[in-house]
Amino acid sequence: AQSVTQLDSHVSVSEGTPVLLRCNYSSSYSPSLFWYVQHPNKGLQLLLKYTSAATLVKGINGFEAEFKKSETSFHLTKPSAHMSDAAEYFCVVRLPMGDDKIIFGKGTRLHILP
Amino acid sequence: DAGVIQSPRHEVTEMGQEVTLRCKPISGHDYLFWYRQTMMRGLELLIYFNNNVPIDDSGMPEDRFSAKMPNASFSTLKIQPSEPRDSAVYFCASSLLAGGGYTFGSGTRLTVV
Repeated sequence: AQSVTQLDSHVSVSEGTPVLLRCNYSSSYSPSLFWYVQHPNKGLQLLLKYTSAATLVKGINGFEAEFKKSETSFHLTKPSAHMSDAAEYFCVVRLPMGDDKIIFGKGTRLHILP
Repeated sequence: DAGVIQSPRHEVTEMGQEVTLRCKPISGHDYLFWYRQTMMRGLELLIYFNNNVPIDDSGMPEDRFSAKMPNASFSTLKIQPSEPRDSAVYFCASSLLAGGGYTFGSGTRLTVV
């Protein structure tokens, strides 16, 4: 069965410190992986995506994620948090091979402390 | 490109009334998805279309929900009759066949009182 697990429902970091949002997936195939961000009362915005090219993916707003097949992980990182990063982040798996569903993680709410 | 456009942004309706949510996908995108987001269940896929044809509606909660895509530039999600437990944010998203990410609309916040 395919699944996505975001290990933390809430993460709090101080402004200027690194951010780590964890995501593990389970898939029988080589999936495409995405991170989306949702700011309060807004829609979802694509941060970055992995589609079997480079394993280290750079996204918008200074975020990046590394695909580690051996660990089935796709953790999202940022070297220095900014107040505007406070939002909910979703890790997403897109299934290949003609089944075009995507599976969302439960989300991680990122809090930035001044 | 204006992105995926959803209307209305907010809808408040009384229980039992019909509600219609609208979506205009990005031009050229082959896939259109309807999602529902609640605090309890997170994001749920309701239905998706490929080239205007419904492919999988197994996420539609019950017969009160229906979705149509009469052409490549327009889709509706209808709830009739609406119930308070339908209160949620409903997102529409579109995507290209070739892969990559999805582009989401800003959502419709539905409140059924």
